[in-house]
Amino acid sequence: SQKIEQNSEALNIQEGKTATLTCNYTNYSPAYLQWYRQDPGRGPVFLLLIRENEKEKRKERLKVTFDTTLKQSLFHITASQPADSATYLCALDGVLDNDMRFGAGTRLTVKP
Amino acid sequence: DGGITQSPKYLFRKEGQNVTLSCEQNLNHDAMYWYRQDPGQGLRLIYYSQIVNDFQKGDIAEGYSVSREKKESFPLTVTSAQKNPTAFYLCASSLPPLDTQYFGPGTRLTVL
Repeated sequence: SQKIEQNSEALNIQEGKTATLTCNYTNYSPAYLQWYRQDPGRGPVFLLLIRENEKEKRKERLKVTFDTTLKQSLFHITASQPADSATYLCALDGVLDNDMRFGAGTRLTVKP
Repeated sequence: DGGITQSPKYLFRKEGQNVTLSCEQNLNHDAMYWYRQDPGQGLRLIYYSQIVNDFQKGDIAEGYSVSREKKESFPLTVTSAQKNPTAFYLCASSLPPLDTQYFGPGTRLTVL
């Protein structure tokens, strides 16, 4: 069966360091992979999308990599700040209608 | 101010009662979705609609019903047949061809 695993339910890092979150998947051939940020009690907010033929995507302090051989995406936040503290969700999207699926998320805490 | 609104933010109901959660969007998106989020789990798809007057079951549709009479509105009814309805419910919309989801603020339903 299809499975999406976001390693580490929680990640604690010091302000200024780089946070690296992992998203692994099995039995899935995604055309796209997306990352969302979710604050407590709120809906997720879209951050970045990377296509299967792209290796890396950047947006300001965010960087996403996508390795379809390893079936893994890494999400990096450089120069992390306490305001980056949130839960980050990865989502895999295939080519069929409505086959987008979300991981359980990793809760990131950036300590000052 | 474009976006998705969900109401109410908190909802309490007695066991055995049906309850309807509201979702409205002014983004002119064709597709709308309902997800359920439980602690430690990813978002699970309840129902989705690609176009007015049409909707499809997601992964966990049992005990729920929806309607899509207008493009802007996609209400979800949690029926008494839903065994464990207490959860955080999220509505989203998207504009094809990408399935990037725009989420509402969510409704937390507690069944007493």
